[in-house]
Amino acid sequence: QKEVEQNSGPLSVPEGAIASLNCTYSDRGSQSFFWYRQYSGKSPELIMFIYSNGDKEDGRFTAQLNKASQYVSLLIRDSQPSDSATYLCAVNDSNYQLIWGAGTKLIIKP
Amino acid sequence: GAVVSQHPSWVICKSGTSVKIECRSLDFQATTMFWYRQFPKQSLMLMATSNEGSKATYEQGVEKDKFLINHASLTLSTLTVTSAHPEDSSFYICSARESTGGYNSPLHFGNGTRLTVT
Repeated sequence: QKEVEQNSGPLSVPEGAIASLNCTYSDRGSQSFFWYRQYSGKSPELIMFIYSNGDKEDGRFTAQLNKASQYVSLLIRDSQPSDSATYLCAVNDSNYQLIWGAGTKLIIKP
Repeated sequence: GAVVSQHPSWVICKSGTSVKIECRSLDFQATTMFWYRQFPKQSLMLMATSNEGSKATYEQGVEKDKFLINHASLTLSTLTVTSAHPEDSSFYICSARESTGGYNSPLHFGNGTRLTVT
């Protein structure tokens, strides 16, 4: 059974600090990696995607991928209360099936 | 870019009736669309994969005769919940992947449809 695991949280971070969200996956042949943000009662919204080892930055967000260790992370700099949401990690496995993590609830405290 | 429109946003229907939900990719073509369901405080659950011009592929445990999926064009997929019952009340979300992007391109989600069956 291919799995994507995330800490369910909640992860509480002070406003202005860096929030670090982590995700591990079981299929070593996984191809592509996605982070989605989901506000309560809303549908998921794509934040970032990454395909290659290393870091990818987009504004306050940085995705980090380490295929050898099978983890992908999302860093949010200068966290804002509006960043409070559930963050979903999704991984395209070696068969191009999208496997979802259960999500980490992030709370940014003013 | 990559906008997915889902309609209606919410619907209330009586037990035994059918409800149709539309999902459109507005600015891209989508050979494949995906239908998810999400119960309160639970994870996204994939119901089925909708393929343009062919039959949908349903996940284990999802009744294909109850959840009818039609993907008649590269920009439109519909989900019909037939003979709805209160236990079908949920948040239904469609998503689409750009045809030109390949299997590794991201999914783009519609805003979801909240179905309440009374």
